[in-house]
Amino acid sequence: QQQVKQSPQSLIVQKGGIPIINCAYENTAFDYFPWYQQFPGKGPALLIAIRPDVSEKKEGRFTISFNKSAKQFSLHIMDSQPGDSATYFCAARGANAGNMLTFGGGTRLMVKP
Amino acid sequence: GAGVSQSPSNKVTEKGKDVELRCDPISGHTALYWYRQSLGQGLEFLIYFQGNSAPDKSGLPSDRFSAERTGGSVSTLTIQRTQQEDSAVYLCASSRNRGSNQPQHFGDGTRLSIL
Repeated sequence: QQQVKQSPQSLIVQKGGIPIINCAYENTAFDYFPWYQQFPGKGPALLIAIRPDVSEKKEGRFTISFNKSAKQFSLHIMDSQPGDSATYFCAARGANAGNMLTFGGGTRLMVKP
Repeated sequence: GAGVSQSPSNKVTEKGKDVELRCDPISGHTALYWYRQSLGQGLEFLIYFQGNSAPDKSGLPSDRFSAERTGGSVSTLTIQRTQQEDSAVYLCASSRNRGSNQPQHFGDGTRLSIL
């Protein structure tokens, strides 16, 4: 049972473009929503995270938009670069869940030079 | 090292054999997690340790899977009588404590292949 649905599965953009990755969740007890970036052969690395009391968070070229009523959140990468080519995972943590994360299925992003 | 260390990085074994995977968390991190990542899939939670509390084993897929954490530091994930569907990357993560404002730091995983 997938509690966090992520789309698209893969995405190709040109350098400078703004890839957008979307996630939707069902469990209203989720209270923390991180995004992870994973390069081949490496473990996921935390990119940016948001809580449901804010609608947007920016860190450098990465922005999370959060829509609590729709139970959706998305990652935008501004001025994308070939070095951003990686797999991106959204995740969600439930209150009283011991910090255990539920992950989306991942999006493989390719940024063409 | 400063990060989460996992060993071995790769493991190939025959169906039916037992395997042990090791995780060295970041020093001082009291929370430790094991996840499984199948090819092209997201991460699936397996088990969680917090300090001296009883572990949360709710994600273990079968009784062939077990894990322990000795001395509140190093953890070992054991898979008995391995099956081909156990083939995956097993990832370990640690965080300072169980608080949601504490990010999980991942190791690079053990790629397990069952022949």
